[in-house]
Amino acid sequence: DAGVTQSPTHLIKTRGQQVTLRCSPKSGHDTVSWYQQALGQGPQFIFQYYEEEERQRGNFPDRFSGHQFPNYSSELNVNALLLGDSALYLCASSFIGGRNYGYTFGSGTRLTVV
Amino acid sequence: ILNVEQSPQSLHVQEGDSTNFTCSFPSSNFYALHWYRWETAKSPEALFVMTLNGDEKKKGRISATLNTKEGYSYLYIKGSQPEDSATYLCAFKDNQGGKLIFGQGTELSVKP
Repeated sequence: DAGVTQSPTHLIKTRGQQVTLRCSPKSGHDTVSWYQQALGQGPQFIFQYYEEEERQRGNFPDRFSGHQFPNYSSELNVNALLLGDSALYLCASSFIGGRNYGYTFGSGTRLTVV
Repeated sequence: ILNVEQSPQSLHVQEGDSTNFTCSFPSSNFYALHWYRWETAKSPEALFVMTLNGDEKKKGRISATLNTKEGYSYLYIKGSQPEDSATYLCAFKDNQGGKLIFGQGTELSVKP
């Protein structure tokens, strides 16, 4: 059973450009969360999607947007890229009713903004 | 602002040593406390999810305890092995939604 799949694995973009990252959740999971991990820090919550709606959002500007599709896969879009957006972006999937279960993470997309 | 703090930031031990890490989190609106193990170039892997005050969980040589009233959790590794080398992350989940608030992690290095 494949876990969480993220694409691409690495990406280099120029300041001001836009980027789309993709995530396929683990089979059976219906909720997708996105996290940003900057060097030396723990992952920071961006937002979570359930039933194709943004369920909860962290302290990130509107340049960060997302989408969840009927098959539960998700996209993270970042507009007007800044150098400070360079980070590892992690996708995590879970089951909305699974309080006692951990989240399943992908290996991440490493975004470099130059 | 909800803060989750982990200590120490890094730890270097010899094979066979036992070790423990601390995670402190807000004691209000508690819903769950997660522990993850993250090896370099891999995905974070869930170790434990703890939901009740006094919870104790064990998986092989690794165990964890939870005190929600005072807001801390301990992770113990008995007889560390080189393959235990990884970053150990704790994450707090409150009862307001699905987000996990992570600590900065404890980086463990076990030398043979």
